[in-house]
Amino acid sequence: QVQLVQSGAEVKKPGASVKVSCKASGYTFPDYGISWVRQAPGQGPEWMGWISAYNGDTNYAQKLQGRVTMTTDTSTSTGYMELRSLRSDDTAVYYCARDGGTSTSGRFQHWGQGTLVAVSS
Amino acid sequence: EIVLTQSPATVSLSPGERATLSCRASQSVTNYLAWYQQKPGQAPRLLIYDASNRATGIPARFSGSGSGTDFTLTISSLEPEDFAVYYCQQRSNWPPELTFGGGSKVEIK
Repeated sequence: QVQLVQSGAEVKKPGASVKVSCKASGYTFPDYGISWVRQAPGQGPEWMGWISAYNGDTNYAQKLQGRVTMTTDTSTSTGYMELRSLRSDDTAVYYCARDGGTSTSGRFQHWGQGTLVAVSS
Repeated sequence: EIVLTQSPATVSLSPGERATLSCRASQSVTNYLAWYQQKPGQAPRLLIYDASNRATGIPARFSGSGSGTDFTLTISSLEPEDFAVYYCQQRSNWPPELTFGGGSKVEIK
């Protein structure tokens, strides 16, 4: 069965960077992409961007352009999301979700368990 | 950016009743509209994609309709496990972005 297992919770200071991992299993990793979605406390989900596990193509949400980088490692079937210059309003649970391989489909049937990133001085 | 407005924000219903949730887009999204259910401490769960297609394993009591700017999620007869928050989500082709609505909470009356 499809599984996405994310790395553990992080506490960061403002201005720092965080890198969250998402290890996939149960499917052919390069056939799909990964989207990253975050959810601040008490808020709705926010899509951060998408990466193709086939060729590394990316689409980032305009709001995060320049601060976010998504990568994949096909040798370990793992996706990564790095967010830089962290601010307090980046405090959220970060999710990975399996997505389309050639572009984002918005059809997120499979999700990771979520990673809490807390930004505090 | 396309904005999705959901209504009502909260609705109080009893098990067995029908729930009708609305999602309005600020501009046409054709049929690229999905619905998700979320319970506390859990990731969202895909219910409906492309406006009216049920995702794998989703019971028939969940149905979606609409196109363009106005969409509806209907739960025909609420089961105890259906009390949760529901989000709509759209996918735009250019720029290729996804946005979520603010959510509708279905609570037990």
